[in-house]
Amino acid sequence: DSGVTQTPKHLITATGQRVTLRCSPRSGDLSVYWYQQSLDQGLQFLIQYYNGEERAKGNILERFSAQQFPDLHSELNLSSLELGDSALYFCASSDQRGPEQFFGPGTRLTVL
Amino acid sequence: AQSVSQHNHHVILSEAASLELGCNYSYGGTVNLFWYVQYPGQHLQLLLKYFSGDPLVKGIKGFEAEFIKSKFSFNLRKPSVQWSDTAEYFCAVTSGGYQKVTFGTGTKLQVIP
Repeated sequence: DSGVTQTPKHLITATGQRVTLRCSPRSGDLSVYWYQQSLDQGLQFLIQYYNGEERAKGNILERFSAQQFPDLHSELNLSSLELGDSALYFCASSDQRGPEQFFGPGTRLTVL
Repeated sequence: AQSVSQHNHHVILSEAASLELGCNYSYGGTVNLFWYVQYPGQHLQLLLKYFSGDPLVKGIKGFEAEFIKSKFSFNLRKPSVQWSDTAEYFCAVTSGGYQKVTFGTGTKLQVIP
């Protein structure tokens, strides 16, 4: 158990819908990262937040957005969902002392 | 931009065989290097990391990796694999101050009993 929690574990929805994935970092970690893992694209970095501010952006689609709240939990919003958005979405967190990231268990999103 | 290459996409070994998974990165500055493992149905876990110092790094479960700066490589090794090592292995690199991590495409290791 890494100390990073993600909800929900599984999510099944339809094309065109919008969903929100939630992540709580390890206690004391200020950085949160979001990743998408799919069979064809592998592990893709989406976005990083540090203490509420966006710090780095990766291959995140415009239909996707994220934010980090004052209590440091983060949400990833996925809208206008397409079949190709079906994937595992991981959240990770790290503290200020080092770049090592601790991963959550992931949310499996299925778009039908 | 930094990138990470893992040339072996799928490796099949028998138990007790030796393992070496290749990882090359492209970045000329100071880097931090990692190997993560993802067991079937689980999240990524850190195997080992290199920040500085001794280029031969020992991690958990008998894994080690060697940082060779001149070759931009950070290969993962294990002298004798077990069936329980069946997993996907990801090499990753960070650079700069923002801790943005670039992952390789992963290597699926299958160990046959």
